[in-house]
Amino acid sequence: AQRVTQPEKLLSVFKGAPVELKCNYSYSGSPELFWYVQYSRQRLQLLLRHISRESIKGFTADLNKGETSFHLKKPFAQEEDSAMYYCALQGGSNYKLTFGKGTLLTVNP
Amino acid sequence: GAVVSQHPSWVICKSGTSVKIECRSLDFQATTMFWYRQFPKQSLMLMATSNEGSKATYEQGVEKDKFLINHASLTLSTLTVTSAHPEDSSFYICSAHRNMNTEAFFGQGTRLTVV
Repeated sequence: AQRVTQPEKLLSVFKGAPVELKCNYSYSGSPELFWYVQYSRQRLQLLLRHISRESIKGFTADLNKGETSFHLKKPFAQEEDSAMYYCALQGGSNYKLTFGKGTLLTVNP
Repeated sequence: GAVVSQHPSWVICKSGTSVKIECRSLDFQATTMFWYRQFPKQSLMLMATSNEGSKATYEQGVEKDKFLINHASLTLSTLTVTSAHPEDSSFYICSAHRNMNTEAFFGQGTRLTVV
């Protein structure tokens, strides 16, 4: 069975502060990990995926297979980063996604 | 990016009636679409995989006779909530993948309220 755990439901930081949203997963094979984001009154959209190893909007995430983690990080949070963030796992070839419960990030001015 | 559109965005219906929600991929063909349900302040729960030209694959615990899925074309999947009850009230979201790409494109969601 595959499982994604986001331990923090809420995370509040001040503008300019570093932010880390935690994600741990459980999967027996080689998963593909994603971070999806949902801004207020907008649809869910892809933020980044581990295979791309790129930085999007200043965010990065590294897949740590030893710790089965895929934490999302940004060194200097901005107010526009305030949103709901979901970590998701895709195992196998059928594109089915398993989502974590999400973390609501609030960046205060 | 690719566009997935759901219709309606919101619907209110009476208990016992059926409601159909459409999910369209506007600028690409999708042989597979997914239907999720999201309860307030909770995560997305995969309900079923909609397969073009064949039966949908339902997740454990999801009643296939309650949530009818039809994927008659490469750009349209429909979810029909039959004999709706207040406990079916929820936010329903669909997604699709483009060109065997692993990125999922999501619809804007449909808020169903059963009164």
